[in-house]
Amino acid sequence: DAKTTQPTSMDCAEGRAANLPCNHSTISGNEYVYWYRQIHSQGPQYIIHGLKNNETNEMASLIITEDRKSSTLILPHATLRDTAVYYCIVRVAESPPSFGKGTLLTVNP
Amino acid sequence: DAGVIQSPRHEVTEMGQEVTLRCKPISGHDYLFWYRQTMMRGLELLIYFNNNVPIDDSGMPEDRFSAKMPNASFSTLKIQPSEPRDSAVYFCASSLVSEIYGYTFGSGTRLTVV
Repeated sequence: DAKTTQPTSMDCAEGRAANLPCNHSTISGNEYVYWYRQIHSQGPQYIIHGLKNNETNEMASLIITEDRKSSTLILPHATLRDTAVYYCIVRVAESPPSFGKGTLLTVNP
Repeated sequence: DAGVIQSPRHEVTEMGQEVTLRCKPISGHDYLFWYRQTMMRGLELLIYFNNNVPIDDSGMPEDRFSAKMPNASFSTLKIQPSEPRDSAVYFCASSLVSEIYGYTFGSGTRLTVV
């Protein structure tokens, strides 16, 4: 049951902003949008999450559309170390995350 | 805190042998999850525990797989007998019941069954 749709891959130049889109048109009112990333050979790492409002932390910003049917993860100044698979997940707070295929972001020098 | 600790990091075993993977969650976390990752199937949730009690094991592939959590600081995932198709990276993760900041994953155990 694919709750989210993400592009398979994206490229970004080092130092530029990386904008990763995610569609979640069937999201329920009590479901959050979470973003994780997985750097090669490591476990997934939490990035950010949101319910309705846009959110920002030291790693990234999350922009959620007003209808909540899509969101964008923004890495403001991508570095080579940001090359990873990025997963967009919608879930209620108590349920385990279900990971799809994600987006492979490649940051190029 | 050292984070979620998994052992071993790598395991190579022969088909038919028993394999035991270990996980130490973050102290104070009351949820523990086991995931498996392969190229074909991606990250799959196998089982998760709350306060040491298995809550959902519907992702466990078959009876050859079993998981236990004898106490709050330790969990095992056992495969007996192992088969080549069990080759994968197995991740353990933990979280708090009121978790909203996401789960913390371990570094994984890469299992190769030959």
